[in-house]
Amino acid sequence: NAGVTQTPKFRVLKTGQSMTLLCAQDMNHEYMYWYRQDPGMGLRLIHYSVGEGTTAKGEVPDGYNVSRLKKQNFLLGLESAAPSQTSVYFCACDGGTNQPQHFGDGTRLSIL
Amino acid sequence: TQLLEQSPQFLSIQEGENLTVYCNSSSVFSSLQWYRQEPGEGPVLLVTVVTGGEVKKLKRLTFQFGDARKDSSLHITAAQPGDTGLYLCAGPKAAGNKLTFGGGTRVLVKP
Repeated sequence: NAGVTQTPKFRVLKTGQSMTLLCAQDMNHEYMYWYRQDPGMGLRLIHYSVGEGTTAKGEVPDGYNVSRLKKQNFLLGLESAAPSQTSVYFCACDGGTNQPQHFGDGTRLSIL
Repeated sequence: TQLLEQSPQFLSIQEGENLTVYCNSSSVFSSLQWYRQEPGEGPVLLVTVVTGGEVKKLKRLTFQFGDARKDSSLHITAAQPGDTGLYLCAGPKAAGNKLTFGGGTRVLVKP
């Protein structure tokens, strides 16, 4: 009963490198989200998706792209990593309005 | 400026003491959720409050939603080391399922 699985768990990148974070959910939820978490700032929404094939910008989308080719997967890409993108990234999903969000365990990303 | 302000940012208490965490906003929310996050893990939902003035209890945790639906509080009675974690409040934005989160309160309960 995995719920939401994020890979990788840790990664160190050099400035300018690219990478993709993968989120997979087995809950058959329509809505999926990518957040970043920085000290004292809670969770900030990067991008989200309301269903397969759809994506939309959150409050801090710059420097990130996403894709939702399959309902169960939501990918977050960094095309050219910057030190300001050092953070812990969380993926979440939920089943609709007022439903709880279910989170993965996060990906800790450091950009040198 | 965050839409949801949590206070205090950090709280350290001894086992057996009580504590209260606050979540305040100048905006009205249709509901508020409280999550707890432990190190190395994602947040986990504790409760959702939906009615102004509502009080919900979860064992030693008591959650209250303000009458005007602009604020909420979490009170823990006789705190235990297992209550240690980051407590986050979150509320839905005007449109869609998107949530806005407070900055969190980090609670440390010492044995």
